[in-house]
Amino acid sequence: AVRMTQSPSSFSASTEDRVTITCRASQGIGSFLAWYQQKPGKAPKLLIYGASTLQSGVPSRFSGSGSGTDFTLTISWLQSEDFATYYCQQYYSYPYTFGQGTKLEIK
Amino acid sequence: QLQLQESGPGLVKPSETLSLTCTVSGGSIGTSSYYWGWIRQPPGKGLEWIGSIYYSGSIYYNPSLKSRVTLSEDTSKNQFSLKLSSVTAADTAVYYCARHPVVRGVILWFDPWGQGTLVTVSS
Repeated sequence: AVRMTQSPSSFSASTEDRVTITCRASQGIGSFLAWYQQKPGKAPKLLIYGASTLQSGVPSRFSGSGSGTDFTLTISWLQSEDFATYYCQQYYSYPYTFGQGTKLEIK
Repeated sequence: QLQLQESGPGLVKPSETLSLTCTVSGGSIGTSSYYWGWIRQPPGKGLEWIGSIYYSGSIYYNPSLKSRVTLSEDTSKNQFSLKLSSVTAADTAVYYCARHPVVRGVILWFDPWGQGTLVTVSS
């Protein structure tokens, strides 16, 4: 199985900050990567697919980049509603696997 | 707009079988454009894909659970279901159902998701 490793596992930031979360795959997965946002008690919500394509309705302050084994999710102007846990997921091969999550907290 | 809703017992005894159903509204599961999947999340932990099913009956399972998992679908009721046998406390989790698109035979991301249902394994 492709192992997905996110860093950091958690960190604190302030509103209006620019933050970057990294996701690394244990083998090349092309651009077959999605990012999800999950708030407490809620289901994950798709933010980005194809490593860099923004899902409809997702604010443009979210962006994704990367291909192969290294990927990033950037939030350019943190808003209060962005404090949540973020997961990457590869859909290059079975079994589909997720990163362990990055919890973004308010400083 | 498409909505998914999980249903089933919230408490299952160890060694028994966990059974959940996902009811889809606002769209049909009998379409060639999508697979329908199950994902779980133990309390305070990350996400694990369980398996996915296509309306034609094609199914993919996570090898780590394959020996205990059965997926099925009922297009007449617009539902698909999960059965997980011989459960233990390690199977305690929030179980989500979700849709994923298929493009040129490639099964893609999960969107949307159901709200999830907590299943606790305990005697």
